[in-house]
Amino acid sequence: DIVMTQSPDSLAVSLGERATINCKSSQSVLYRSNNKNCLAWYQQKPGQPPRLIIFWASIRESGVPDRFSGSGSGTDFTLTISSLQAEDAAVYYCQQYYDTAMYSFGQGTKLEIK
Amino acid sequence: EVQLVQSGAEVKKPGESLKISCEGFGYRFSNFWIAWVRQTPEKGLEWLGIISPSDSETRYSPSFQGQVTISVDKSINTAFLQWSGLKASDTAMYYCARHVAKRSPFDYWGQGTQVTVSS
Repeated sequence: DIVMTQSPDSLAVSLGERATINCKSSQSVLYRSNNKNCLAWYQQKPGQPPRLIIFWASIRESGVPDRFSGSGSGTDFTLTISSLQAEDAAVYYCQQYYDTAMYSFGQGTKLEIK
Repeated sequence: EVQLVQSGAEVKKPGESLKISCEGFGYRFSNFWIAWVRQTPEKGLEWLGIISPSDSETRYSPSFQGQVTISVDKSINTAFLQWSGLKASDTAMYYCARHVAKRSPFDYWGQGTQVTVSS
C-alpha cells in the first residue's frame, strides 16, 4: 500500500500570506505511460464533502482560484496558496490514485487564519 | 449540473443491515466509476471500493473486503453501499464520488450519508 504523509498537521497563516502544505508518498506515484504524477489535492470545509482542487499534481480544477498551485514529482509534493484569503480556511488532503487497488489519502492538514 | 445525491442519515443497532444509495445527475452515469469513501475523526478519509456502472466491475480495499458490498443499478443511475451486520465501528460519514477512469481523481462528491451504529 502507498502511505501518504502530510506535514504539518495544522498551520495558522495571516491573511495575504503564503501557505504551504507538504505531502510525501511512500513510493513514487509517477505514471510512466503519461509521465504524470497521480496526485490530487482536496479542500474540505466543515459540513461539506471534499472538493477537488488540484490533480495530476499541478493542474487546477476548473473554478479554483489561481492562488492555489501544486508542485512536485515522484514522492514529494506541495500545495501552495500564494495569498491566503479568509475562505481558504479548511482541511486539505492529498490523495494518490496511482495504485488503483488501494487509493489512499493523507491524514489532512488543518489550515487556519492567524 | 453534475450532482451525486446520497440517501439520508441512518441510525442503526449493531447487527442490523443497511443499504445506502448514491444517485448521479447531470452526466452519463455509465461512463464514470463510483467510489465510496469513509470519514471518521480518528482515521480520516478511507477508500472502501469502486464500481463501474457499465459492467459492474468492482474492486474493494483489502481493509473492507467482506465487510461491505458495493452494487449498482445503472437503470436508475444509482450506486449502493450495504452492510449485512453493522458494528459500532462502522459509525462514520460515507461519501460517494465519481471518477472517469481507475487512474483519475475523484472530481465530484456526494453530500455524504452519516451512519450511526449504537445500541
